[in-house]
Amino acid sequence: GESVGLHLPTLSVQEGDNSIINCAYSNSASDYFIWYKQESGKGPQFIIDIRSNMDKRQGQRVTVLLNKTVKHLSLQIAATQPGDSAVYFCAEWVRNAGNMLTFGGGTRLMVKP
Amino acid sequence: GAVVSQHPSRVICKSGTSVKIECRSLDFQATTMFWYRQFPKQSLMLMATSNEGSKATYEQGVEKDKFLINHASLTLSTLTVTSAHPEDSSFYICSATTVTYEQYFGPGTRLTVT
Repeated sequence: GESVGLHLPTLSVQEGDNSIINCAYSNSASDYFIWYKQESGKGPQFIIDIRSNMDKRQGQRVTVLLNKTVKHLSLQIAATQPGDSAVYFCAEWVRNAGNMLTFGGGTRLMVKP
Repeated sequence: GAVVSQHPSRVICKSGTSVKIECRSLDFQATTMFWYRQFPKQSLMLMATSNEGSKATYEQGVEKDKFLINHASLTLSTLTVTSAHPEDSSFYICSATTVTYEQYFGPGTRLTVT
């Protein structure tokens, strides 16, 4: 079946540097893409989302880029802080599919002080 | 903003017993609640979708008689792990939504079956 990013790589960055977390998806019918942050022992926390008809969206210190041509999604975190250390998941949502989200495999971000 | 709670946050039970986990939307009415299971260092795996007043829809491979879901009201869904075994030990997370893609996640419940 179709899926979103099936691995859990680790990204290690220095505090203050920018981080880029990537996600590949395969369902071209997805209407929304969402990034979640999950800290150890906690539930996922919404970070930012992007509609499928957009290619970029900015939030506070975060930017999501969507490349539908290659079915690629990225999350950029500016000036990464120790509090950003967590696992980041991308998820996709298809309208009229029961409000279900399909999650990717996740990326662990480790921020070195 | 939308808050979802889960209770208990941690539970340890003996093999063969049943455990009930509650998921509540505290400040909004959730038309749909989802139950996920997460193994260490892995992503969230959807177990079932629950709509208020109707039977839950289970994902392929999830035993409905093992994982009983009740969605009695627009603010409460429960997951009961029946006759729990050590392999059921996991992190269980619920989420709640209205009619959009915005899912609000609970803090999770760590189940350990001894």
